[in-house]
Amino acid sequence: QVQLQESGPGLVKPSETLSLTCTVSGGSISSHYWSWIRQTPEKGLEWIGYIYYSGSSDSNPSLKTRLTISLDTSKSQFFLNLRSVTAADTAVYFCARFYYDGYGQRYFDLWGRGTLVTVSS
Amino acid sequence: DVRLTQSPSSLSASVGDRITITCRASRTIGSDLNWYRQKPGKAPNLLIYTTSTLQSGVPSRFSGSGSGTDFTLTISSLQPEDFATYYCQQTYSLPWTFGRGTKVEVK
Repeated sequence: QVQLQESGPGLVKPSETLSLTCTVSGGSISSHYWSWIRQTPEKGLEWIGYIYYSGSSDSNPSLKTRLTISLDTSKSQFFLNLRSVTAADTAVYFCARFYYDGYGQRYFDLWGRGTLVTVSS
Repeated sequence: DVRLTQSPSSLSASVGDRITITCRASRTIGSDLNWYRQKPGKAPNLLIYTTSTLQSGVPSRFSGSGSGTDFTLTISSLQPEDFATYYCQQTYSLPWTFGRGTKVEVK
């Protein structure tokens, strides 16, 4: 059974870089899209971006200039780096598998448990 | 961005009740609408994808319908584990977006 687990610092200082890792276990990272989503009381659920196992990626325009998503297939991990963070980036961050069958079925079918990241000095 | 408006934002119901949640998109999204249930402190869990297809393992009391801009999620007989928050989400166009949620509470 495929499982996802987020890891990374729970506290980041303003203006620094938020870095998270999602480890995929119980299955292959290949042939799928992998995504980051965050949740705040103010904005709700917000899609951050995705990366395909081949390395192609896309992201929310609201975050694109500060964001890098990458992956390491040999370690079955993908990563989030969000630069120049502010208090508005405080959120629960989820990693998720985005299922796409190539014909139109598209959805987030597997999620990590989420990790709270607080931006504060 | 496609804005998704859910209504109601919250509702009170009892076990066994039939409830319906609506999701309206700011422009047409075809059938590219998914529904999730989220329990406190947990990740969202996929219930229905592409408007009306039940995710594997999801009970048949859940159903979805709609197309274009108007969609509904129906729970035919509310169970104790269904007291949670429900979100719609579109995958018609990037950036993918979510509704603000409907919280189902115990009456």
